[in-house]
Amino acid sequence: GAGVSQTPSNKVTEKGKYVELRCDPISGHTALYWYRQSLGQGPEFLIYFQGTGAADDSGLPNDRFFAVRPEGSVSTLKIQRTERGDSAVYLCASSADRGHEAFFGQGTRLTVV
Amino acid sequence: GENVEQHPSTLSVQEGDSAVIKCTYSDSASNYFPWYKQELGKGPQLIIDIRSNVGEKKDQRIAVTLNKTAKHFSLHITETQPEDSAVYFCAASLDSGGGADGLTFGKGTHLIIQP
Repeated sequence: GAGVSQTPSNKVTEKGKYVELRCDPISGHTALYWYRQSLGQGPEFLIYFQGTGAADDSGLPNDRFFAVRPEGSVSTLKIQRTERGDSAVYLCASSADRGHEAFFGQGTRLTVV
Repeated sequence: GENVEQHPSTLSVQEGDSAVIKCTYSDSASNYFPWYKQELGKGPQLIIDIRSNVGEKKDQRIAVTLNKTAKHFSLHITETQPEDSAVYFCAASLDSGGGADGLTFGKGTHLIIQP
């Protein structure tokens, strides 16, 4: 596809469960970003990948959150022992390289019940 | 860390009038200030950005101004049209490289264009 694709679009999970959220960036984009957006708020930075490595993970809130990008393309955000406060829209963005315009996907709406 | 305040939270203007959204930031080291437009059910879309070595930037009906001394920047939309209705976010980061690394966003402004 032409844009950033995120799957699933919606995810409902029970408190305490493990979830994985997937991001397919625009083909050829080396930079990939994860953000979290709570209702009525602006996006909150989580992590930035340059290629396969996490160049900046300062936004990850705690050790329950982890993200990988093993081949420098698709990325997975992993959340362990989910809590109700993790409910939000998780946004992924990619850019051709660091310093270039970032394009956001439509997000995954995560609801923890 | 950086803190970005955005006002107003809601702005309603008549079609054809101008709209102004204002943001302040706390970290004087921030040097990159993008503005995003977010439509319902979609991800944010970059509409304009400015770096700290520039005071003003314009792109057709959209302009952004930056006052580094006062640590505030503003988005100006002229000749508003119905399709301008959306939520607008300002953001700031410490890295003038651009992209979306480590952006701190404001809480957003819901812009409503009245026909």
